[in-house]
Amino acid sequence: ILNVEQSPQSLHVQEGDSTNFTCSFPSSNFYALHWYRWETAKSPEALFVMTLNGDEKKKGRISATLNTKEGYSYLYIKGSQPEDSATYLCAFPSINTGTASKLTFGTGTRLQVTL
Amino acid sequence: GAVVSQHPSRVICKSGTSVKIECRSLDFQATTMFWYRQFPKQSLMLMATSNEGSKATYEQGVEKDKFLINHASLTLSTLTVTSAHPEDSSFYICSARRRYLDSNQPQHFGDGTRLSIL
Repeated sequence: ILNVEQSPQSLHVQEGDSTNFTCSFPSSNFYALHWYRWETAKSPEALFVMTLNGDEKKKGRISATLNTKEGYSYLYIKGSQPEDSATYLCAFPSINTGTASKLTFGTGTRLQVTL
Repeated sequence: GAVVSQHPSRVICKSGTSVKIECRSLDFQATTMFWYRQFPKQSLMLMATSNEGSKATYEQGVEKDKFLINHASLTLSTLTVTSAHPEDSSFYICSARRRYLDSNQPQHFGDGTRLSIL
């Protein structure tokens, strides 16, 4: 059983604050690391798929970094807005049968941004 | 962006009923679809990988005869919870990955189905 952990479990920040959270994953047999944003009553939406050690990806005010050697990824949100309120999930793919990889999800970080 | 439709979004039914949940990829072909289950305050747990035209691959501990999966076309996978009991009450969500793309491509999720068995 793969161990994918996220911290903190929940986070409450004020509008304008910058924040970050962590995903730790096995450092062996690394293929990629996925980040998803899951807003209430919506479907999880892919933010990033990171594949290279040292990779840094950015989407608007959200960015992510990757350290495959030590097995962690950080997600950063700059200047949080209420619409950033969601659960942020990371997921670690491993090869299933054939070429179909399967994802092991962390429990998520629930972010709430208030005015 | 890629759209996955999951239906129904909510089911409330009596114990012993079989419930079918559909997962459709609306604007792309999906060779592989995934079915997850989420218990309260836990992460998404993969139940099975649905492969178009072949048998589904079930995760350890998931009963094949209880959770029947059919992936008859490149745009539709169904999960049938047979003779559902209260312990099957949960949130079920599907995802799909575009055909022919690398396994490191993101998955596209449906909105999920909240199943409540009385």
